[in-house]
Amino acid sequence: EPEVTQTPSHQVTQMGQEVILRCVPISNHLYFYWYRQILGQKVEFLVSFYNNEISEKSEIFDDQFSVERPDGSNFTLKIRSTKLEDSAMYFCASSEERVGTDTQYFGPGTRLTVL
Amino acid sequence: KNEVEQSPQNLTAQEGEFITINCSYSVGISALHWLQQHPGGGIVSLFMLSSGKKKHGRLIATINIQEKHSSLHITASHPRDSAVYICAVSSMDSNYQLIWGAGTKLIIKP
Repeated sequence: EPEVTQTPSHQVTQMGQEVILRCVPISNHLYFYWYRQILGQKVEFLVSFYNNEISEKSEIFDDQFSVERPDGSNFTLKIRSTKLEDSAMYFCASSEERVGTDTQYFGPGTRLTVL
Repeated sequence: KNEVEQSPQNLTAQEGEFITINCSYSVGISALHWLQQHPGGGIVSLFMLSSGKKKHGRLIATINIQEKHSSLHITASHPRDSAVYICAVSSMDSNYQLIWGAGTKLIIKP
């Protein structure tokens, strides 16, 4: 069964460094998402991406964040100048149709630890 | 104010018991999702529904649009059902992006 994959599973970085989290969505899916879950808290929407551009972003997704689909398979989240409060689990998801009309499939997550 | 509220926050039950987890929401929605988050963190979509009832194996999800309420039921619960169950809604207020509940932590004891 097709699945969303994410790498790395755990990333440790120093405050101020840049990190890139990678995702490979399901191949025939057109809509891609990043979510964040700080330990012990709710999952939060960060950004959605369709047709090679951001379709929606939350207040959390400020200039520190960027997303890219550099080739036909990868979908990346870049966090510049990481802060301690960026420590969280980051989930990538994809869907065939737009959110609200279709099930999203989630990757296993990347745990980001900022020291 | 939380737009999506779940109850209970925590639920411990014995194997075999019938489980009900509730979700109430305050916004207009196009769909409601039930998801399962395993102890390792992975998230799996269980149901997406906009009306009525859906069933998959021992899981049943219902929604009452007028009352803005949904329930997730687990019949003949098993220790492997132990997980966090999360309700999330897709709302016009959020341009259809998912608004997540805090989750219900379910523990099924053998």
